[in-house]
Amino acid sequence: DVKVTQSSRYLVKRTGEKVFLECVQDMDHENMFWYRQDPGLGLRLIYFSYDVKMKEKGDIPEGYSVSREKKERFSLILESASTNQTSMYLCASSFRDRGADTQYFGPGTRLTVL
Amino acid sequence: QKEVEQNSGPLSVPEGAIASLNCTYSDRVSQSFFWYRQYSGKSPELIMSIYSNGDKEDGRFTAQLNKASQYVSLLIRDSQPSDSATYLCASRGRDDKIIFGKGTRLHILP
Repeated sequence: DVKVTQSSRYLVKRTGEKVFLECVQDMDHENMFWYRQDPGLGLRLIYFSYDVKMKEKGDIPEGYSVSREKKERFSLILESASTNQTSMYLCASSFRDRGADTQYFGPGTRLTVL
Repeated sequence: QKEVEQNSGPLSVPEGAIASLNCTYSDRVSQSFFWYRQYSGKSPELIMSIYSNGDKEDGRFTAQLNKASQYVSLLIRDSQPSDSATYLCASRGRDDKIIFGKGTRLHILP
């Protein structure tokens, strides 16, 4: 079974704090993604990565950065958390091969910024 | 702006009936299409993927794709209360990014 794990299920941080969200997958997937999901706005892509040390901006990268030092791990960083970054954050991974491009999601991290 | 549009619902369907979920997409070069199911408080899980025009069946689920009309649908036969969830339609274009719709809430009435 594909396993995508995220470091925390719930997280509460203060405005201005630096926040790290970790995602690990065990299926040797090339692609990894970070989304946020908000009521009425759906899933929005923040950043994605096709390979180690590679990163691409998604639709809403402002206020976020990412790191992919190892193939199985993709980290999302909030440099200075703000209240408008309160959201559900979902990590996903997939193979690069388009014939097998199902995205597998982690359980999500619900982040609250006070 | 590439978009995937869905009716937000809620769509209420009696148990045992057919639930029909629809989706349109704006990017003509989209190659792959997906239906994900998301239970409240959980993460999305893939139900169906479809890549070519026509129907694709898997158990009680049938995905339909019409590239000329830029239209994707999901039919759920013999609807069960456990099918109550939000269904996300998604498409992938040549840039490998997947665009998700905002989802349709489905409620199966016992």
